Amino acid sequence: DVKVTQSSRYLVKRTGEKVFLECVQDMDHENMFWYRQDPGLGLRLIYFSYDVKMKEKGDIPEGYSVSREKKERFSLILESASTNQTSMYLCASSLNGGLIRGDTGELFFGEGSRLTVL
Amino acid sequence: GEDVEQSLFLSVREGDSSVINCTYTDSSSTYLYWYKQEPGAGLQLLTYIFSNMDMKQDQRLTVLLNKKDKHLSLRIADTQTGDSAIYFCAEDSGGGADGLTFGKGTHLIIQP
Repeated sequence: DVKVTQSSRYLVKRTGEKVFLECVQDMDHENMFWYRQDPGLGLRLIYFSYDVKMKEKGDIPEGYSVSREKKERFSLILESASTNQTSMYLCASSLNGGLIRGDTGELFFGEGSRLTVL
Repeated sequence: GEDVEQSLFLSVREGDSSVINCTYTDSSSTYLYWYKQEPGAGLQLLTYIFSNMDMKQDQRLTVLLNKKDKHLSLRIADTQTGDSAIYFCAEDSGGGADGLTFGKGTHLIIQP
């Protein structure tokens, strides 16, 4: 089974702190994603990566950065946490083979990291 | 840009059928998906349908796709308390590395 593991299920941080959210997948997937989920707003894409050291901005990248030094690991960084970044953060991964490899484009999600910024 | 719309809440009685509806705008989608999110957990793929299909059935789940109207539905037969969750519709917007476009999710509430 594909497993996407997020290092922390719950975090409480103070305004201005630097926050690292770690995500590891064990299926050699090329693509990795960070979403945030807020009530009434659904999932919004923050950043994604299609290869090691590659990163692309999603819909709401402001206030965030990411790092992908190894294929299996994708980190989300909040340089200076603010209260409006209190949210559920979801990491996901997928293959990048397209129909030729029988890829359905499915995203595999971690369990989520609930961050509270005080 | 792409957009996926679904209503935020659906309430059904236990044992009845639930029908969750979704509309999307991107006609280049190859696959459309239904994900389920239980409280405090991540999203799990429930089922998907290839865009050249009209219907897909999997035990209690039936997915209907009307490509002309860009309408997708998920029917859950004999709804149980364990089906209580948020259900997300998603499309792949033609594929690629930028992932899926999700709706805001429908909270399915089961009444005893």
